[in-house]
Amino acid sequence: GENVEQHPSTLSVQEGDSAVIKCTYSDSASNYFPWYKQELGKRPQLIIDIRSNVGEKKDQRIAVTLNKTAKHFSLHITETQPEDSAVYFCAASQGGSNYKLTFGKGTLLTVNP
Amino acid sequence: GAVVSQHPSRVICKSGTSVKIECRSLDFQATTMFWYRQFPKKSLMLMATSNEGSKATYEQGVEKDKFLINHASLTLSTLTVTSAHPEDSSFYICSARDHREPLHFGNGTRLTVT
Repeated sequence: GENVEQHPSTLSVQEGDSAVIKCTYSDSASNYFPWYKQELGKRPQLIIDIRSNVGEKKDQRIAVTLNKTAKHFSLHITETQPEDSAVYFCAASQGGSNYKLTFGKGTLLTVNP
Repeated sequence: GAVVSQHPSRVICKSGTSVKIECRSLDFQATTMFWYRQFPKKSLMLMATSNEGSKATYEQGVEKDKFLINHASLTLSTLTVTSAHPEDSSFYICSARDHREPLHFGNGTRLTVT
């Protein structure tokens, strides 16, 4: 089955700096890669996703890049703010009717004011 | 749109009792629902996948007789933790999708077994 590795497990940045979280996946059949943000005790919230036919996607301060050949994808947050502090999970899926998300282990991002 | 409601948000039960958790898709028909378990500071571990009107597919290592899943309609799935033990204490989260992505999560249920 799919295996998703996520690094780093913790990341601390100063407000205004950029943060980058990286994930690798093992199954070349995976074609859908969402990122979720989870605040303590709350549900994961989708923040951005990318499909395998696209190399990069951006939404305001958040961007995701995908390298299919190397089987890795990254989350980039620019101009970080304290409210960006949370646990971020990457995930991979084959999509379609066999949809099953495999999550990375998460990254605790702390943005220091 | 795409709201998933989960109830209860917190539950405390005694060892040996059973607890039912409900997951509802409020504004869409969920062809597939997923149940995850999350330990403190850990990732989401998929327990089972349920499709409306059919038996759930359990992940390896998940006891189907202990974690009963029913997906009786396109908007409701339930997870029943039977004969609960303290080690079943965890955060359980359901998620649902229709024919499209992405996956939408419920707000989770914090289960504490005493």
